[in-house]
Amino acid sequence: DAGITQSPRHKVTETGTPVTLRCHQTENHRYMYWYRQDPGHGLRLIHYSYGVKDTDKGEVSDGYSVSRSKTEDFLLTLESATSSQTSVYFCAISDLAGGPRNEQFFGPGTRLTVL
Amino acid sequence: DAKTTQPNSMESNEEEPVHLPCNHSTISGTDYIHWYRQLPSQGPEYVIHGLTSNVNNRMASLAIAEDRKSSTLILHRATLRDAAVYYCILRDVTGNQFYFGTGTSLTVIP
Repeated sequence: DAGITQSPRHKVTETGTPVTLRCHQTENHRYMYWYRQDPGHGLRLIHYSYGVKDTDKGEVSDGYSVSRSKTEDFLLTLESATSSQTSVYFCAISDLAGGPRNEQFFGPGTRLTVL
Repeated sequence: DAKTTQPNSMESNEEEPVHLPCNHSTISGTDYIHWYRQLPSQGPEYVIHGLTSNVNNRMASLAIAEDRKSSTLILHRATLRDAAVYYCILRDVTGNQFYFGTGTSLTVIP
């Protein structure tokens, strides 16, 4: 299994509070991704990173920011959490952006509840 | 990226083959067909991918229609551990994003 950990694994917070989720990898892969998963929507990309300090938006980026100061860590921040951000968040990594395979390896997920 | 259409759910008896269909009528010539699956309470995992020819690996087989507008993931002998949500994804070789859709939830009946 790819070395990907996410922390925390579960979090309950209140509306309006800031929240930071961490993804840590030991594979030295260049690309890292944050997805959210909600019933009826499958997985949707929030942000991704293609290198240290290089990030870009996905299809559902509003209300989220990311940072990547080291290859191994990719942080997802909710500046002011809302109930609509209650979801399961998955981090993924890959060592290629292009190419036919570009297998993405996923972390175990973080279940976030915003009350 | 082009979109895919999959049935919401399917059932299979244990130890029987399973054929999971996927329609992708707007596929472009540079789109690869990828399949991932997500076991309960886990992140998705790669299953198989292909472009034009049928593909086999230790997990499954991928049959691609001649016009590439549809494909089928084949699990040769379903086990209880194959119960999962299976996602069919199109990915342009130059792109770096995946669009997962809602997938097919496979139930395996003992």
